[in-house]
Amino acid sequence: RKEVEQDPGPFNVPEGATVAFNCTYSNSASQSFFWYRQDCRKEPKLLMSVYSSGNEDGRFTAQLNRASQYISLLIRDSKLSDSATYLCVVNMALSGGYNKLIFGAGTRLAVHP
Amino acid sequence: GAGVSQSPSNKVTEKGKDVELRCDPISGHTALYWYRQSLGQGLEFLIYFQGNSAPDKSGLPSDRFSAERTGGSVSTLTIQRTQQEDSAVYLCASSPTPGLDNEQFFGPGTRLTVL
Repeated sequence: RKEVEQDPGPFNVPEGATVAFNCTYSNSASQSFFWYRQDCRKEPKLLMSVYSSGNEDGRFTAQLNRASQYISLLIRDSKLSDSATYLCVVNMALSGGYNKLIFGAGTRLAVHP
Repeated sequence: GAGVSQSPSNKVTEKGKDVELRCDPISGHTALYWYRQSLGQGLEFLIYFQGNSAPDKSGLPSDRFSAERTGGSVSTLTIQRTQQEDSAVYLCASSPTPGLDNEQFFGPGTRLTVL
């Protein structure tokens, strides 16, 4: 089983639609969760961190369910500029107090006029 | 300020040759990461540096791959006797510390093509 699993998509939605992505992770000890965005042939960039209580940043809402080891990202009022691949990311603790991030393979979103 | 930079941006090499990829992290960032991304795939973790030491080398695919970091700053990833399956984009990222909530800032990557 992959450490972080995502539906690869693509999700094809019209402008203005609401779309949700889900992600599951296997390491119950993970403590930090993120969504990164990657545009075509570009590097990934942090979109938002995901907190236990859920958090919102404008049109974007992230939710975490620790019991089910499940993370979600909701995008409201989709814009053409939201077209990208969305990467679900969780941390893995290493010995010595260090951490590394495990990236999912990403969910591709295409917003059309 | 300057972000993470990587060089070269593109590298085409022949099978069997050695290549060196360079990463300049953001100044002051102690943590540095190397990833590999094949076409249409997710990021594959290769190696992580904290300062000059590498607590986690578990992602290096084979002993043809090695990396070093000097002076807690610049890092080089070396691939010896390259194979066609090494073709990918190699991404470097840095963060201020390896803390739980620290964002990783990525460079633009080096696109490696092995003929």
